[in-house]
Amino acid sequence: DQQVKQNSPSLSVQEGRISILNCDYTNSMFDYFLWYKKYPAEGPTFLISISSIKDKNEDGRFTVFLNKSAKHLSLHIVPSQPGDSAVYFCAAYTTSGTYKYIFGTGTRLKVLA
Amino acid sequence: DTGVSQDPRHKITKRGQNVTFRCDPISEHNRLYWYRQTLGQGPEFLTYFQNEAQLEKSRLLSDRFSAERPKGSFSTLEIQRTEQGDSAMYLCASSPGARTEAFFGQGTRLTVV
Repeated sequence: DQQVKQNSPSLSVQEGRISILNCDYTNSMFDYFLWYKKYPAEGPTFLISISSIKDKNEDGRFTVFLNKSAKHLSLHIVPSQPGDSAVYFCAAYTTSGTYKYIFGTGTRLKVLA
Repeated sequence: DTGVSQDPRHKITKRGQNVTFRCDPISEHNRLYWYRQTLGQGPEFLTYFQNEAQLEKSRLLSDRFSAERPKGSFSTLEIQRTEQGDSAMYLCASSPGARTEAFFGQGTRLTVV
């Protein structure tokens, strides 16, 4: 039962353009969402998060949008840089009855110089 | 460095042997998580501690797996009678509370031959 889904396994974007990574979830009890970035042979690094009471959170080049009615969130990276090339994971968290972060399968972003 | 520390970074073991991994969380983080990641997948939840109490365990955690956090600080994950299917990256993470990001260590890469 994949509660958090990232349907695009890979994405290529030109340097300087916008990267949009998408994530869908099924559990309406999720109340906190996060994006992580992962380089090979390293642990995931936290990027940005959003509470379910908000619809947008921005941090520098990174913006996360949450559409609760569609159970969808997206990460926008503007402008994209070659150093952004990595695997991006969406994660969701609920404080109702469980304590774990549930991750999607990831999207590999390649930013072309 | 005050990040999450995992030891060892790499472990190669023969099938049937026991292995133990150690995780030192960020100090004063009372929540500690173990995840497992295989190629092409997102991190899969294994278990969660709040202080020294193990509050949740995944069905993935068979009776060959055991985790401890004896004094509410570092944690160990032991795998007994390793199988080839145990080969994966084992990730530890810690967080200071609910609805906050979890910080991951570099992981321990286990290869069972």
